[in-house]
Amino acid sequence: AQSVTQLGSHVSVSEGALVLLRCNYSSSVPPYLFWYVQYPNQGLQLLLKYTSAATLVKGINGFEAEFKKSETSFHLTKPSAHMSDAAEYFCAVSEGGSNYKLTFGKGTLLTVNP
Amino acid sequence: DAGVIQSPRHEVTEMGQEVTLRCKPISGHNSLFWYRQTMMRGLELLIYFNNNVPIDDSGMPEDRFSAKMPNASFSTLKIQPSEPRDSAVYFCASSLLGQVTDTQYFGPGTRLTVL
Repeated sequence: AQSVTQLGSHVSVSEGALVLLRCNYSSSVPPYLFWYVQYPNQGLQLLLKYTSAATLVKGINGFEAEFKKSETSFHLTKPSAHMSDAAEYFCAVSEGGSNYKLTFGKGTLLTVNP
Repeated sequence: DAGVIQSPRHEVTEMGQEVTLRCKPISGHNSLFWYRQTMMRGLELLIYFNNNVPIDDSGMPEDRFSAKMPNASFSTLKIQPSEPRDSAVYFCASSLLGQVTDTQYFGPGTRLTVL
């Protein structure tokens, strides 16, 4: 069965600092991996996805994530945090094929301090 | 271009009452998902429709919950009777083909409070 663990329910950074949000997955087959962002009182929006092509995936708003099979990780990074990045971030995994289901992590709330 | 539309945005009701949540997916999308988000359990898939047909309702918590998709542009999630533990944010999402690599587009959600 697929599962996702997001380390750290709350991450706080200063504006301009590196953002690192951690995600580890469990899957019995090569997975598809996703990062979604949720701004207050809004639905989730796709940031980026890994679908077995390049292991370094670039997304919107300057975010990127690297798929590391040996570490079963898909951490999200951004070199320089902006105030507008404050939101909740969700990592999700799917085993693909006929399995359309996304299994979401519990989320990481990112706070950006001025 | 309109995204996924959900109504109402907020619903407050009393235990035992019937609640109906509504969703209009993005035009041309043939897959629709209903999710529930709570602090304790996170984001959970309740039911998945493809071409208006329910494919997987294994996430529906119990018989009090039902969902329909009478046509490609409308879906409802009904809770009858409602209970306080149903309080959550309910999201509807749609995707083009329902394949896992498709992007799911989420609506703004309905925040349900059952007193």
